[in-house]
Amino acid sequence: AQSVTQLGSHVSVSEGALVLLRCNYSSSVPPYLFWYVQYPNQGLQLLLKYTSAATLVKGINGFEAEFKKSETSFHLTKPSAHMSDAAEYFCAVSRYSGGGADGLTFGKGTHLIIQP
Amino acid sequence: DARVTQTPRHKVTEMGQEVTMRCQPILGHNTVFWYRQTMMQGLELLAYFRNRAPLDDSGMPKDRFSAEMPDATLATLKIQPSEPRDSAVYFCASGLEGVGTIYFGEGSWLTVV
Repeated sequence: AQSVTQLGSHVSVSEGALVLLRCNYSSSVPPYLFWYVQYPNQGLQLLLKYTSAATLVKGINGFEAEFKKSETSFHLTKPSAHMSDAAEYFCAVSRYSGGGADGLTFGKGTHLIIQP
Repeated sequence: DARVTQTPRHKVTEMGQEVTMRCQPILGHNTVFWYRQTMMQGLELLAYFRNRAPLDDSGMPKDRFSAEMPDATLATLKIQPSEPRDSAVYFCASGLEGVGTIYFGEGSWLTVV
């Protein structure tokens, strides 16, 4: 079964600093990987997704993630944090091959705190 | 702006009462998911449908939970009887087979007292 592990339940960075949220996956098939963001009292919004086309994936709000098969990682980065980035971030992997059409398995989430 | 619509947004109910949550998937999407989010367990897949047929409900407690899709524009999740441990946020999501991305609604925040 596919799974993801997010390292660090809370990450705190200063405004303007680099954001790095870590995600490692386990998958018996070529994975489709996703990052979602959840703002307080809201649903999950797709940030970006990896579907085997390019290893460096660019998403919304200046975020990007790099797929590294050798490290089974899909870490999320943003060069300069903004106060509005404070939220919960979830890494997810498709349950089966072929994308998320059969559902996603989510990590536990990382709460990103931005210090002024 | 296409979106998944869920009702109610918030529900407080007493233990033992029936709770029904509704979801309108994005028009044209043929796959609908129900997820539950709690602090302890995170996001769990309860059930999902494709073309209105249930494909997997292994994540759902069968004795009190039921999920249906009466038509392509409506999915329901029912809890009967509700218990305090059912307090959680229930998300509906929809997607199109073969495309990969699934889109979430705003959630139904359930509190059972």
